[in-house]
Amino acid sequence: SQKIEQNSEALNIQEGKTATLTCNYTNYSPAYLQWYRQDPGRGPVFLLLIRENEKEKRKERLKVTFDTTLKQSLFHITASQPADSATYLCAAADRGSTLGRLYFGRGTQLTVWP
Amino acid sequence: NAGVTQTPKFQVLKTGQSMTLQCAQDMNHNSMYWYRQDPGMGLRLIYYSASEGTTDKGEVPNGYNVSRLNKREFSLRLESAAPSQTSVYFCASSEPTPGGNQPQHFGDGTRLSIL
Repeated sequence: SQKIEQNSEALNIQEGKTATLTCNYTNYSPAYLQWYRQDPGRGPVFLLLIRENEKEKRKERLKVTFDTTLKQSLFHITASQPADSATYLCAAADRGSTLGRLYFGRGTQLTVWP
Repeated sequence: NAGVTQTPKFQVLKTGQSMTLQCAQDMNHNSMYWYRQDPGMGLRLIYYSASEGTTDKGEVPNGYNVSRLNKREFSLRLESAAPSQTSVYFCASSEPTPGGNQPQHFGDGTRLSIL
């Protein structure tokens, strides 16, 4: 069964607004969540990692939250720009696994229009 | 900094032909992975190698074989290609730690079409 769910396949927003992407996990309890960016014709690129005991993590215009009660992570891009247009993937591993194996969501395609 | 290198970038095969996709990483990572990515399906794990000398099946291993040639190289083989294997294939590597707190590093993919 799918462990990581990104319910929105596409999100379109205007430049300057904040984009918010959602990632939900089911049937397990990851210790970490990771977010990746994927541009057309390229492989995913790691952006941010958040631990379960971190409520929020920031990197420049990016912010990630981790709510273990809701089993959800939110990924925010503030002051969005057309260059932020890409597909964003959420991923997590089984707690305690040492194999490094990740389960990926299907991704949300973000389009930022001028 | 090359990172993860995949060859070839594009390939067209006929049904029944065989092919090996190559992957090499220069980050001295222990773990390597092969994924396929199809529209609407996301990344699905085919096989992975947690360390040199070991390989394990992922979600969709049928029709594929892998070889962990050494610490740097991990190849994926299609013995008898089928149209259902038309996809984009990604190789990745990571340094595994408990609970998945290390990112994976991806190559730019091989776009494979089976006619």
